[in-house]
Amino acid sequence: KAGVTQTPRYLIKTRGQQVTLSCSPISGHRSVSWYQQTPGQGLQFLFEYFSETQRNKGNFPGRFSGRQFSNSRSEMNVSTLELGDSALYLCASSFFGESTTNEKLFFGSGTQLSVL
Amino acid sequence: AQKVTQAQTEISVVEKEDVTLDCVYETRDTTYYLFWYKQPPSGELVFLIRRNSFDEQNEISGRYSWNFQKSTSSFNFTITASQVVDSAVYFCALRVAGNQFYFGTGTSLTVIP
Repeated sequence: KAGVTQTPRYLIKTRGQQVTLSCSPISGHRSVSWYQQTPGQGLQFLFEYFSETQRNKGNFPGRFSGRQFSNSRSEMNVSTLELGDSALYLCASSFFGESTTNEKLFFGSGTQLSVL
Repeated sequence: AQKVTQAQTEISVVEKEDVTLDCVYETRDTTYYLFWYKQPPSGELVFLIRRNSFDEQNEISGRYSWNFQKSTSSFNFTITASQVVDSAVYFCALRVAGNQFYFGTGTSLTVIP
């Protein structure tokens, strides 16, 4: 069974540009979450999608957005990039994503975004 | 509010030594789940263990063991007889209602041969 696939693996952008990251979850998984990882900050939750609907959202500005398609694949978009957006962006999927279950997250290898 | 604290930023041990990674969590929810993930240099977080708030039974799996104590809100992770392949960043995480995980800042473990 294929794992969570994230593309591209690396991205270099300049300030003010926008970027789109892609995530294909494990087959059959309906929940996709996005996390931002920076040194010293750990993983910060961006948002979660379930059945094409955003279900949870973290404390990030509106420049960060996402969507999920009918096949559960998800994209994350960051507009008007800032230097501080440089980070590893991790996507994670789970089957159900229901509350109070013992679901665990399956992670991709991430997209390393560098903003110059 | 939920919070996970991993006070140890970096740890170095010599191969075959035992090492314990600390994790302290905060939540007012009575039902919650605790996790440990390992992140090797490749970047992908690998699931290690999951514990729910009603199960304080400690667990041993090979060289890994976990000590969950609700009284101190801690969920510590011990590697016995460490190996070079254990070198990675380890994250403790908390999940309450909903599918949002709260991660600690991670502990970078280096095992020196």
